Amino acid sequence: GQQVMQIPQYQHVQEGEDFTTYCNSSTTLSNIQWYKQRPGGHPVFLIQLVKSGEVKKQKRLTFQFGEAKKNSSLHITATQTTDVGTYFCAGPGSARQLTFGSGTQLTVLP
Amino acid sequence: DAGVIQSPRHEVTEMGQEVTLRCKPISGHNSLFWYRQTMMRGLELLIYFNNNVPIDDSGMPEDRFSAKMPNASFSTLKIQPSEPRDSAVYFCASIPGQSNTEAFFGQGTRLTVV
Repeated sequence: GQQVMQIPQYQHVQEGEDFTTYCNSSTTLSNIQWYKQRPGGHPVFLIQLVKSGEVKKQKRLTFQFGEAKKNSSLHITATQTTDVGTYFCAGPGSARQLTFGSGTQLTVLP
Repeated sequence: DAGVIQSPRHEVTEMGQEVTLRCKPISGHNSLFWYRQTMMRGLELLIYFNNNVPIDDSGMPEDRFSAKMPNASFSTLKIQPSEPRDSAVYFCASIPGQSNTEAFFGQGTRLTVV
């Protein structure tokens, strides 16, 4: 079945440094979504990418969807302590179920 | 709308007891997902309903787990008998239509089996 892998699993950065997490799917995706989960919280939707090569920005966050629609990345510029949390990518499976990647846990040191 | 509502928020039970987790999806959403989250295994999809019908239950760990969706506004996930390794946070999420739209998660139920 479909597998969605994310790297790195953990990332510690100093406040102000950049951060990137990468997502790779074993199959071509019709779309990919990104979620953020704060410590002790629940996943919250950030964005969805649909088109091959698509790039979207939300303030300091930049999301990319690969040309082959099998990989994606999330880049945060100049991290802040409010960026702390786990970032997940998610893609639709063959039965339209939503399969989540393993997540990248971001720690921002003040 | 109050969002996806899960109950209870926390559950502590003894090994061997039956546990029932409840979820009320957002009104009008016709897809519902149950996920289990642990440090070791991350966010695992247990079962997926569409229009109250189970579509994919391949993630249900074993026969001790069962899920129902008797109507569009209510779903349950039952574990009988519970075991310590079932300790996790269980999330319910709903989607308006298909999986290419935003999923709305409940606050989760933190289950501890002792």
